[in-house]
Amino acid sequence: GENVEQHPSTLSVQEGDSAVIKCTYSDSASNYFPWYKQELGKRPQLIIDIRSNVGEKKDQRIAVTLNKTAKHFSLHITETQPEDSAVYFCAASREYGNKLVFGAGTILRVKS
Amino acid sequence: GAGVSQSPSNKVTEKGKDVELRCDPISGHTALYWYRQSLGQGLEFLIYFQGNSAPDKSGLPSDRFSAERTGGSVSTLTIQRTQQEDSAVYLCASSLVEDTEAFFGQGTRLTVV
Repeated sequence: GENVEQHPSTLSVQEGDSAVIKCTYSDSASNYFPWYKQELGKRPQLIIDIRSNVGEKKDQRIAVTLNKTAKHFSLHITETQPEDSAVYFCAASREYGNKLVFGAGTILRVKS
Repeated sequence: GAGVSQSPSNKVTEKGKDVELRCDPISGHTALYWYRQSLGQGLEFLIYFQGNSAPDKSGLPSDRFSAERTGGSVSTLTIQRTQQEDSAVYLCASSLVEDTEAFFGQGTRLTVV
């Protein structure tokens, strides 16, 4: 089955700096890769996702890149703000008929 | 409904008792997932439904755990003879199909004393 590894487990950055979180996956058939943000005490919420037919997707300060050959994808947050502080989870799934498998999460702390 | 609803939001139970956790997915969502999140930990997959069938039960920790889904909608997760290590937040999510956005409920915080 699919296995998703996520690094780093914790990340501290200064406000205004960039943050990068990386994930690798094992199932070459996976082709949907969402990223979720979970603030303390709240439910995970989707912030961006990418499918395998594209290599990069951007939404304002957030971007995701995908390298299918190497089976890894990354989340990039630019101009970080204190409200970006949260736990971020990557996930992977096959198209149709399989579950979302999550990485272990990254605690991001943005220091002001 | 407007979102995924889970009940109860909090449950305290004595060791050895059975508990039932309920999930009401977003109307029309065919895929439904149960995850477990221990304090400060990641999302541990438990079981996934496509309609009323469960193609993947591989994450259920033991035979004390079971889940069902009826009418392609509501799902219940049952834990029999609860143990202290079952204490966690149990999250339910639903999506239109497997590879579209999964919307999470607020979770049920289970405490076994």
